[in-house]
Amino acid sequence: GPKVLQIPSHQIIDMGQMVTLNCDPVSNHLYFYWYKQILGQQMEFLVNFYNGKVMEKSKLFKDQFSVERPDGSYFTLKIQPTALEDSAVYFCASSWDWGDYAEQFFGPGTRLTVL
Amino acid sequence: GDSVTQTEGQVALSEEDFLTIHCNYSASGYPTLFWYVQYPGEGPQLLFRASRDKEKGSSRGFEATYDKGTTSFHLRKASVQESDSAVYYCALSVGNNRIFFGDGTQLVVKP
Repeated sequence: GPKVLQIPSHQIIDMGQMVTLNCDPVSNHLYFYWYKQILGQQMEFLVNFYNGKVMEKSKLFKDQFSVERPDGSYFTLKIQPTALEDSAVYFCASSWDWGDYAEQFFGPGTRLTVL
Repeated sequence: GDSVTQTEGQVALSEEDFLTIHCNYSASGYPTLFWYVQYPGEGPQLLFRASRDKEKGSSRGFEATYDKGTTSFHLRKASVQESDSAVYYCALSVGNNRIFFGDGTQLVVKP
């Protein structure tokens, strides 16, 4: 089936540094998402993105977070500066359409460790 | 707020056993309900969904029925196989493309 790729699979970074997580969504998809899963906790919605704009974000999407997809390349999540509580697995997803019948396809996740 | 509760954190079965994973939800509107499966090293993938009361979703021998009265969407399979070993997530969405996931249930099936 359609695949979403995420690069890197693991990232270790010192607190206060900047990190960029990369997502290569399914090629014809138009809607993009980030979810965060802290170890042992639920996967939680961060943000969705369409046509170059954030459509909706949750309370977890702090001011230090930003997303973009310049020129149809990777869909990225940038955290600047990072904090200890940002340690988690970040899942990217993409969908062709909007609404509950538009299946979201998930990548394998990037495990971020902030020291 | 919108949320999903899965009762079982881990389920251990033998091949050909019957599986039930319990899922209850709380939602402000009329949600669409999902079951996702996640294999090691992969992201969650949709198993099936249901969007109306009494609707049954099914795939690969797994099934669940949307029950608005008991706010439940329990996952069942009559005869599990070792290849079914994975993490199963119950989830919901209320039409805004924001999916709320449960904690997940680790299914281990022994041969």
